Amino acid sequence: DVKVTQSSRYLVKRTGEKVFLECVQDMDHENMFWYRQDPGLGLRLIYFSYDVKMKEKGDIPEGYSVSREKKERFSLILESASTNQTSMYLCASSGPGQGYEQYFGPGTRLTVT
Amino acid sequence: DQQVKQNSPSLSVQEGRISILNCDYTNSMFDYFLWYKKYPAEGPTFLISISSIKDKNEDGRFTVFLNKSAKHLSLHIVPSQPGDSAVYFCAAIVGGADGLTFGKGTHLIIQP
Repeated sequence: DVKVTQSSRYLVKRTGEKVFLECVQDMDHENMFWYRQDPGLGLRLIYFSYDVKMKEKGDIPEGYSVSREKKERFSLILESASTNQTSMYLCASSGPGQGYEQYFGPGTRLTVT
Repeated sequence: DQQVKQNSPSLSVQEGRISILNCDYTNSMFDYFLWYKKYPAEGPTFLISISSIKDKNEDGRFTVFLNKSAKHLSLHIVPSQPGDSAVYFCAAIVGGADGLTFGKGTHLIIQP
């Protein structure tokens, strides 16, 4: 089974703090993704990566950056957290031979106060 | 502009009956469609998918129908079970390995 893990289930940070959300997958997948989920808005793509050290902007990249130094790890960085970044953050991965299915981690509920 | 639309925020169905969840899309370039199920405080789990070259795909109690001319797909769950109560997301992708475009979700409630 594909396993995608996220470093924290719940996180509370203050406005202006730098926040790191970590994601690790164990299936040697090339592609990794970060989404956020908000009530009434569904899931929205923040950033994705096809390979190590590569990154692509998604639909809502403003206020975020990413890092992919190793194939299995994809980090989402909030350089200066703001209250409108309070959300559920979901990491996903996908690889060849699985169609376009993406496998999601359990999510990190981030609250910025 | 919302490219994937789920117009029903919630749906209530009696246990044992059929649940039909609908999804419309506007981008004719989408060539693969997926349905995900999500419980509270968990990540979405993949349910079933369909390529644009097909009009039906079946997996156990779940069937997805695609009507390309109407840009419409639907997920049928037969028979509905209490464990099916969850939020269902429709998603679409334009080939390659880009991110999925999701609808806003439909909260399915199975009544005993």
